[in-house]
Amino acid sequence: EVQLLESGGGLVQPGGSLRLSCAASGFTFSNFAMSWVRQAPGRGLEWISSIGESGRTTKYTDSVKGRFTISRDNSKDTLYLQMNSLRADDTAVYHCALGGIFGHYDYWGQGALVTVSS
Amino acid sequence: QSALTQPPSASGSPGQSVTISCTGTSSDVGGYNYVSWYQQHPGKAPKLMIYEVNKRPSGVPDRFSGSKSGNTASLTVSGLQADDEADYYCNSYAGSNNLVFGGGTKLTVL
Repeated sequence: EVQLLESGGGLVQPGGSLRLSCAASGFTFSNFAMSWVRQAPGRGLEWISSIGESGRTTKYTDSVKGRFTISRDNSKDTLYLQMNSLRADDTAVYHCALGGIFGHYDYWGQGALVTVSS
Repeated sequence: QSALTQPPSASGSPGQSVTISCTGTSSDVGGYNYVSWYQQHPGKAPKLMIYEVNKRPSGVPDRFSGSKSGNTASLTVSGLQADDEADYYCNSYAGSNNLVFGGGTKLTVL
């Protein structure tokens, strides 16, 4: 059974940093691109970033370029999202998803809530 | 990177059919056959219902179907059931290493 489990969310002040992790199981992690998608409270879904199978290829939405970094450790079956210079409008539930830039996400994690507030 | 346009709400009675539209441009929906649809119940993670415009993942009932004409993609739910009441989102590859989602449609089963 495919499972994606996010961790690392929490409350952070504006300008602060946070690193999210997504532990994957039930499939060969290194064979699949992965992505992060977020959902602000009461709002719709927003694609944030995708990473290729090896980790060499990364893509970001414009609003997080230069602030967020996606990475993966295939030896640990884990996906990461390093978030720096956080802003209030980054407040959202962050989901990791199995799939890449073409938007076909077969599996999603339940999400990690990130709240940016002073 | 404008979001795709979906109607905020849609409704239908049990057994009826309802179609939800997702309008983009020639740079996203109209330019690629990479449109997906997701169902999201409150407090739950999204669930993939349709990918690549009209393909259904295993386990998704054939009451759900997808199509595309020009810059508009559509999701049709036939034989509406109470459990179909949820939010529905479309997304599309938009070229230049970009993916855009629609704003979501709240489907109410009357």
